[in-house]
Amino acid sequence: QVQLQQWDAGLLKPSETLSLTCGVNGSSLSGYSWSWIRQSPGKGLEWIGEINDSGTSRYNPSLQSRVTISVDTSKTQFSLRMNSVTAADTAVYYCARIRTRGRRFFDLWGRGTLLTVSS
Amino acid sequence: VLTQSPGVLSLSPGERATLSCRASQSVFTNYLTWYQQKPGQAPRLLIYAASNRAAGIPDRFSGSGSGTDFTLTISNLEPEDFGVYYCQQYDGSYTFGQGTKLEI
Repeated sequence: QVQLQQWDAGLLKPSETLSLTCGVNGSSLSGYSWSWIRQSPGKGLEWIGEINDSGTSRYNPSLQSRVTISVDTSKTQFSLRMNSVTAADTAVYYCARIRTRGRRFFDLWGRGTLLTVSS
Repeated sequence: VLTQSPGVLSLSPGERATLSCRASQSVFTNYLTWYQQKPGQAPRLLIYAASNRAAGIPDRFSGSGSGTDFTLTISNLEPEDFGVYYCQQYDGSYTFGQGTKLEI
């Protein structure tokens, strides 16, 4: 059974950099795209970006200047890096697998990790 | 923009729930998805391509619609069906509706 493993994000101060990793257990990264999504009370569910198994990434235009998603196929992990965080980035961050091939939806989710940005 | 209605739906077990998702522009049917989320949990895939149930989803869940109007119907509600339901679309970027809270 494929599972996505997330580790705690914890607490950051404004202007610091967020680094999150999602481990894919029970599957390789091939054949899928992989995504980060966040959820905050104020903005609901928000897509951050995605990366495919070839390493090509795409981002939400509203975040792309601050976000990088990368993949480590040897470790079957993919990562999110977001710089210059502010209180507005406080949210639960989810990693998810994307089903493509004529359709686009998130069929597998990590448990989520809460990021709090506060001085 | 995806607009879901109603915001809150209060129903009893055995009743039918009808949840609406309206898009500001036409959505390709293959790119309309529904999720269920319970407190403290990640969203769970229910329906993809507007009307296809995901693996393990009971047949009391059904999706329909096209263009700008989509519907999730839950017939014969069970107590475990409470939660928040989201629609999601893809047009090169992914957007979610604001959710409908289903109270049993």
